Amino acid sequence: GDSVTQMEGPVTLSEEAFLTINCTYTATGYPSLFWYVQYPGEGLQLLLKATKADDKGSNKGFEATYRKETTSFHLEKGSVQVSDSAVYFCALSILNFGNEKLTFGTGTRLTIIP
Amino acid sequence: NAGVMQNPRHLVRRRGQEARLRCSPMKGHSHVYWYRQLPEEGLKFMVYLQKENIIDESGMPKERFSAEFPKEGPSILRIQQVVRGDSAAYFCASSLRQGINTIYFGEGSWLTVV
Repeated sequence: GDSVTQMEGPVTLSEEAFLTINCTYTATGYPSLFWYVQYPGEGLQLLLKATKADDKGSNKGFEATYRKETTSFHLEKGSVQVSDSAVYFCALSILNFGNEKLTFGTGTRLTIIP
Repeated sequence: NAGVMQNPRHLVRRRGQEARLRCSPMKGHSHVYWYRQLPEEGLKFMVYLQKENIIDESGMPKERFSAEFPKEGPSILRIQQVVRGDSAAYFCASSLRQGINTIYFGEGSWLTVV
């Protein structure tokens, strides 16, 4: 079945450091790929997405590129801020009308220290 | 323009009691999804409903769990005879139409079974 494997956390970085959170996937078919962010005590917010190979999703300084050859969708940010502290989830979806659902990774907790 | 509203935000139940979690989708949305997040895990799909219909309940436990989305009123996730293992965050999401690109999550309901 479809699955998402994320870099284990927790990850602790200093402010302004470079961030990479690895994400690889296994899917039958051609998935859309997503990164969601969950701030403490809140629900999930869509951070960025990519719907086909070589697409780059970007938002709030975060980027991720859909790499079909390596089945990866790594999240990157050049300079993190304290406000980026949250749990980040990689997810995929196979669009199949009538049976659409997201498959999530286990999440990576990121803490940024001043 | 209210988002997806879930209540209660926090619920404590004793073993054997019933838990009812409510979800009001965004205005005009007729597709509702329920996900469960166990401690230190990612979100797992439970059920996908459209008004008055269950489309996909492949993620629902076979016993004690049920979901509905009536013509009028919120979607309800019902857990009968709760056990400690049901303690989790339950997230509802809604979409205007089929297509994961349009899905919005609520802030979640945290169930604690004591």
